[in-house]
Amino acid sequence: GESVGLHLPTLSVQEGDNSIINCAYSNSASDYFIWYKQESGKGPQFIIDIRSNMDKRQGQRVTVLLNKTVKHLSLQIAATQPGDSAVYFCAEKAGTYKYIFGTGTRLKVLA
Amino acid sequence: EAGVAQSPRYKIIEKRQSVAFWCNPISGHATLYWYQQILGQGPKLLIQFQNNGVVDDSQLPKDRFSAERLKGVDSTLKIQPAKLEDSAVYLCASSLVGGGTGELFFGEGSRLTVL
Repeated sequence: GESVGLHLPTLSVQEGDNSIINCAYSNSASDYFIWYKQESGKGPQFIIDIRSNMDKRQGQRVTVLLNKTVKHLSLQIAATQPGDSAVYFCAEKAGTYKYIFGTGTRLKVLA
Repeated sequence: EAGVAQSPRYKIIEKRQSVAFWCNPISGHATLYWYQQILGQGPKLLIQFQNNGVVDDSQLPKDRFSAERLKGVDSTLKIQPAKLEDSAVYLCASSLVGGGTGELFFGEGSRLTVL
């Protein structure tokens, strides 16, 4: 069946360093992807999205890369800050406004 | 702009009891979702509404879970009878239809503990 997964369950990075969070998806027909950030006790919050006709999209301190050949997404966070500590999910559009979420990666920022 | 409202934030019940969660989406959002998030996992879609109609409820355990959105605005998710494995956070989300980024706006969730 369709699935979206992440390679690393926990990622620890030093404050100020760049973070890279990875995600693999299985449905080659998916045409839209979203990265969400979830802080403890809160609902997921939109970070950035990308359509399948793009391979890169940049936001403020974040960049999403899409490699359709190997069905892989990554989220890059520049100059990681303590406020970036959270669980990050990628979500794959599996139908009209239906999204499948991956397992998540916990990002820990070390002072 | 007010966000997605959910209540209660926390609920503890005994197994075989019933529970109901309420969600009020962002004004004007026609699509409403209920997700179940078990600790350490990503959100899993339970049911999706378009206005007051069900679009997808393929992963809703219909023998014990039910949901409605009668007037196409707020929604209620019910579990009866609850099982231990229903312990999770129940997230409600809403989105615009027919345009925009497709972004889902989530509430803070209702945490259910079944003892």
